[in-house]
Amino acid sequence: DAGVIQSPRHEVTEMGQEVTLRCKPISGHDYLFWYRQTMMRGLELLIYFNNNVPIDDSGMPEDRFSAKMPNASFSTLKIQPSEPRDSAVYFCASSKIVAGASYEQYFGPGTRLTVT
Amino acid sequence: RKEVEQDPGPFNVPEGATVAFNCTYSNSASQSFFWYRQDCRKEPKLLMSVYSSGNEDGRFTAQLNRASQYISLLIRDSKLSDSATYLCVVINTGGFKTIFGAGTRLFVKA
Repeated sequence: DAGVIQSPRHEVTEMGQEVTLRCKPISGHDYLFWYRQTMMRGLELLIYFNNNVPIDDSGMPEDRFSAKMPNASFSTLKIQPSEPRDSAVYFCASSKIVAGASYEQYFGPGTRLTVT
Repeated sequence: RKEVEQDPGPFNVPEGATVAFNCTYSNSASQSFFWYRQDCRKEPKLLMSVYSSGNEDGRFTAQLNRASQYISLLIRDSKLSDSATYLCVVINTGGFKTIFGAGTRLFVKA
């Protein structure tokens, strides 16, 4: 069974350009999470969805960041315009929450973004 | 103050040693607790959930102390393959907002 799929794996872009990161969650999972990881700030939750609906976007750093989940098998994280401080590894994770039980988030391999 | 705090280490231990990591959290309403493991330049993976009664998985033991708001991870008989960063994870009540600690780096040497 395929895990969480992210694309691209590496992205190098110039400041001011639009960047779109893509994620395909594990089939059947109803929660999708977007994280950003940097040396300085560690792993931070940006936004998460339940059944394609954004539930909490309080971690989105500013209006330049937006995320969508048009269907259960696809999500995007867009940065427009990008800035050098956006350079980080962006992870997507998915999970199936079962009431009353503990759960696991399955992470994709990440997208390493470099903004020059 | 960070919501979840861990000693960043690094912890350098010989093979066979026992090592313990602690993690504190500030939100008393936190509902779920986990330890994840992250290898260099890889994605985090669940190591184990942490239950109030404590739980064990082979060489790994996790404990939760709600009164003092800390969780711990004990690794016995360390292996070279245990070298990684261990992330403490807390989920707050009322949703699934997930907060990761900064991680504790472990190096196990021969």
